[in-house]
Amino acid sequence: QQQVKQSPQSLIVQKGGISIINCAYENTAFDYFPWYQQFPGKGPALLIAIRPDVSEKKEGRFTISFNKSAKQFSLHIMDSQPGDSATYFCAGLRVNFNKFYFGSGTKLNVKP
Amino acid sequence: DVKVTQSSRYLVKRTGEKVFLECVQDMDHENMFWYRQDPGLGLRLIYFSYDVKMKEKGDIPEGYSVSREKKERFSLILESASTNQTSMYLCASSLPQGNQPQHFGDGTRLSIL
Repeated sequence: QQQVKQSPQSLIVQKGGISIINCAYENTAFDYFPWYQQFPGKGPALLIAIRPDVSEKKEGRFTISFNKSAKQFSLHIMDSQPGDSATYFCAGLRVNFNKFYFGSGTKLNVKP
Repeated sequence: DVKVTQSSRYLVKRTGEKVFLECVQDMDHENMFWYRQDPGLGLRLIYFSYDVKMKEKGDIPEGYSVSREKKERFSLILESASTNQTSMYLCASSLPQGNQPQHFGDGTRLSIL
């Protein structure tokens, strides 16, 4: 059973547009929700993360929105650029157990 | 900068062979992980280790084993490779606290013929 469900599987956005990737989780014990970014030929790297006591976190053009009651969170990429083209993974975990549950990934293509 | 190095970028092996994938990290991290990445399935945890000689099964340990004899090195072993183990394998390391980021290597693309 997949504990973190991610959508869409792929996304095409025009340069300057907003990219939105959604995730839903099952385990209410999760207390940390990171997003990882993976470029072709590279391993994933931490992009931004949020704890469930915060509804929104922003770092530059990247924002996580968190809805605890709905058990959903999303990544918004404002002013999307071709350099943002990558695969994005959301994840949930219980900090004390240090075991990540990753979503299935979203391949983002930002067209110039 | 943390560096996680996987010994091979591409590897081709035959069914039934014993396959070793090696991973080395240079930041003295306690935790190390092995994942496999398949399209549409994301990253699935095979095994992890939180200390030398310690190991824990992840979500898909069947057909795999691991070895951690030194803190910086974590090996994944396919005991008898099968075609359904053709995949991208990613190694990661992290500090022990759960909210610390996992640092990934660039992966080994393994093909079993």
